[in-house]
Amino acid sequence: DGGITQSPKYLFRKEGQNVTLSCEQNLNHDAMYWYRQDPGQGLRLIYYSQIVNDFQKGDIAEGYSVSREKKESFPLTVTSAQKNPTAFYLCASSIAGVGGYGYTFGSGTRLTVV
Amino acid sequence: SQQGEEDPQALSIQEGENATMNCSYKTSINNLQWYRQNSGRGLVHLILIRSNEREKHSGRLRVTLDTSKKSSSLLITASRAADTASYFCATDPFGGSRLTFGEGTQLTVNP
Repeated sequence: DGGITQSPKYLFRKEGQNVTLSCEQNLNHDAMYWYRQDPGQGLRLIYYSQIVNDFQKGDIAEGYSVSREKKESFPLTVTSAQKNPTAFYLCASSIAGVGGYGYTFGSGTRLTVV
Repeated sequence: SQQGEEDPQALSIQEGENATMNCSYKTSINNLQWYRQNSGRGLVHLILIRSNEREKHSGRLRVTLDTSKKSSSLLITASRAADTASYFCATDPFGGSRLTFGEGTQLTVNP
């Protein structure tokens, strides 16, 4: 079955550590996105990529980094520069292009700073 | 900043009743989408309505779009306990390349 897989489901980070969240899709989608969700709030865009080897900053990119070396994969690194990383992180993918398409979301990674 | 704003923030109804949620937005859009999120899970795409459409149906869902008022509504008819979730509207702006989400409406359907 086609889908989008995020791992791990839960992640604990110590102060000063970098951690990487995985996002893999087998839907042959060109575009991929990372969103952050805080309790009781909506989604805020961190980074997005519409094609391999290219990505753009979203609204809250500071303290995060991404890479897009393969069409299927869009990992997110939460660096030590991110002051308040505890949140629920959601990865999504879509067909890119004019016209607009719905997003397919992964099941999320819950990151907690300990 | 959030493009879409949902209203109400929370809604509690009895099984079998209809649920209506509203979304307002600020800029011109290419399309507007509605998503559902069960607690602690990812979002699920429900329906997409394009800027040249006024109404769209999918099963028990009915979405309307009024571009002159920059608003949309999602109606869930004959609600079920399984419809309990958060519902988000998301706007795809003209010339844009990514969705902007509102803060959601928490719907509780009591059995």
